[in-house]
Amino acid sequence: ETGVTQTPRHLVMGMTNKKSLKCEQHLGHNAMYWYKQSAKKPLELMFVYNFKEQTENNSVPSRFSPECPNSSHLFLHLHTLQPEDSALYLCASSQDRSSRGKRGYTFGSGTRLTVV
Amino acid sequence: AQKITQTQPGMFVQEKEAVTLDCTYDTSDQSYGLFWYKQPSSGEMIFLIYQGSYDEQNATEGRYSLNFQKARKSANLVISASQLGDSAMYFCAMREGEDTGTASKLTFGTGTRLQVTL
Repeated sequence: ETGVTQTPRHLVMGMTNKKSLKCEQHLGHNAMYWYKQSAKKPLELMFVYNFKEQTENNSVPSRFSPECPNSSHLFLHLHTLQPEDSALYLCASSQDRSSRGKRGYTFGSGTRLTVV
Repeated sequence: AQKITQTQPGMFVQEKEAVTLDCTYDTSDQSYGLFWYKQPSSGEMIFLIYQGSYDEQNATEGRYSLNFQKARKSANLVISASQLGDSAMYFCAMREGEDTGTASKLTFGTGTRLQVTL
């Protein structure tokens, strides 16, 4: 356990379905992130939240909708996805300035999403 | 242009041998941080080692060391005494600019798959 928990671990959904990915951390981190990892491509930053406020939306299609109700929880709501959205979705959190950011992120284990 | 380049898609190493995984980066910032992560088949990204751009000494963490050559913009990961459990994907990443604390954006390379053999 890294301290960042993602659920579900695996998800298969049809293109017309609506589902949500959940991420939870109790590390006292203030920033949370969603990354998409596709085969043979670098990790793609999707969204950044800092103290519950969205500070980055990296040109992500509107069929992905993030929600951050508090600093410990982050959701990614999915609707009308396409097969090319199939990927590993990784959540991460990061520490505040006092730790000098030397560990970068703490990642969850990811949700393996398959869109059929 | 890619900011992080990992030119080795796959590497093999024998158990107990050392292996070097290459990483070059591109930035115009004077202050930046370099990271290596390990991703086993379970999917989780595990932090291994960090090097700050102003750190004069190469970072070391147990069997991991970072060969930092600032002028060449390279930050190669050296794993000594390889173990079977080291088989995984390895990613190099960079944080550009000052460490302002929260919400630091990392840029990742495409990774190197390391296979440790008997």
